[in-house]
Amino acid sequence: EVQLVESGGGLVKPGGSLRLSCEASGFTFSDYNMNWVRQAPGKGLQWVSSISSSRTYIYYADSVKGRFTISRDNAKNSLYLLMNGLRADDTAVYYCARHVSLGEFDYWGQGTLVTVSS
Amino acid sequence: QLVLTQSPSASASLGASVKLTCTLSSGHSSYAIAWHQQQPEKGPRYLMNLNSDGSHSKGVGIPDRFSGSSSGAERYLTISSLQSEDEADYYCQTWATGIWLFGGGTRLTVL
Repeated sequence: EVQLVESGGGLVKPGGSLRLSCEASGFTFSDYNMNWVRQAPGKGLQWVSSISSSRTYIYYADSVKGRFTISRDNAKNSLYLLMNGLRADDTAVYYCARHVSLGEFDYWGQGTLVTVSS
Repeated sequence: QLVLTQSPSASASLGASVKLTCTLSSGHSSYAIAWHQQQPEKGPRYLMNLNSDGSHSKGVGIPDRFSGSSSGAERYLTISSLQSEDEADYYCQTWATGIWLFGGGTRLTVL
């Protein structure tokens, strides 16, 4: 069974940093591209960042470019998101999602909440 | 500019059918999309991918009650024999090189 489990969320002050993790199981992690998607309270889904299976390609949404860094450790079956310079509008539940070759996200985690507030 | 447009809300009665619409922006009518369901207080769940010709492939465990179809720039999700657990937000998703987009979502109420 494919499972994606996020962790690392919490309360952080504006300007602060946080690192999210996503532990994958039930599939060969190194074969798949992975993504972070967020959802602000009461709002819709917003793609944040994507990393290819071998880290060859990395993409970011304009809203996080220069502040967030996506990475992965295929030996540990884990995906990460390092978030620097956090702002109030980064407050959201952050989901990791597996990405198949056609582009759609076929498995999602349960999410981890990041709250940016003083 | 690649944009997906969804109606904010829809409603239908228990046991009935409902058809949700996702519209691709001008010039992007050939794009494939995916449909996702998000039940209250849960993470999203992948339902299916849907091509411009209406062919679709469903995710693991998705009931036959869920089907997809296409017409021009519109992509549809039809849910038949509505059940109470179908009350959820439904999002369409598309992609291009280096970018992935979601529609604003449709909140489905089962009456």
